Amino acid sequence: KAGVTQTPRYLIKTRGQQVTLSCSPISGHRSVSWYQQTPGQGLQFLFEYFSETQRNKGNFPGRFSGRQFSNSRSEMNVSTLELGDSALYLCASSLLSASGANVLTFGAGSRLTVL
Amino acid sequence: SQQGEEDPQALSIQEGENATMNCSYKTSINNLQWYRQNSGRGLVHLILIRSNEREKHSGRLRVTLDTSKKSSSLLITASRAADTASYFCATDHSGGYQKVTFGIGTKLQVIP
Repeated sequence: KAGVTQTPRYLIKTRGQQVTLSCSPISGHRSVSWYQQTPGQGLQFLFEYFSETQRNKGNFPGRFSGRQFSNSRSEMNVSTLELGDSALYLCASSLLSASGANVLTFGAGSRLTVL
Repeated sequence: SQQGEEDPQALSIQEGENATMNCSYKTSINNLQWYRQNSGRGLVHLILIRSNEREKHSGRLRVTLDTSKKSSSLLITASRAADTASYFCATDHSGGYQKVTFGIGTKLQVIP
């Protein structure tokens, strides 16, 4: 069973540019969550999608957006990049268990560097 | 904003010793999970404890949960150099929608 796949793994952008990151969840997983990880800040929740609908959103500016397709694949976009957007962006998919537990399976992440 | 806060933020021990990490959280939870992250990579789920459970074991891992104090601890017994990683607690507020919130993590170094 293939894991969560994130592309690209590494990318370098300059301030003002925009970037799109992709995430393919585990087959059958309909929930996809995105997190931003920076040193000292831990993992900050960005948003969560389920069946193409954004169900929850973290406290990030509107420059951060995402979407989910009918095959559950998800993309996130960051526009007008700032130096502070440099981070490891992690995608996780999950299959809500019958008991309601939400165990996340993470991809390896996309490391974004903004110059 | 962070829901969980791990303590200590860094821990260095000798191989064979036990490692204990603590987590505190702010609001009521459905369950609490612990994840591990090797340097710069994705997180791996270790163990889940439900809000009505007090203790859970998995191999060399032991997790406790005290909902009255809103705290949890992760104990790794007989640590190995391969346990060197960052450990995160995550609180699950499932109940109509999913939002798993992570703490800042504890960086564990196990010295051979």
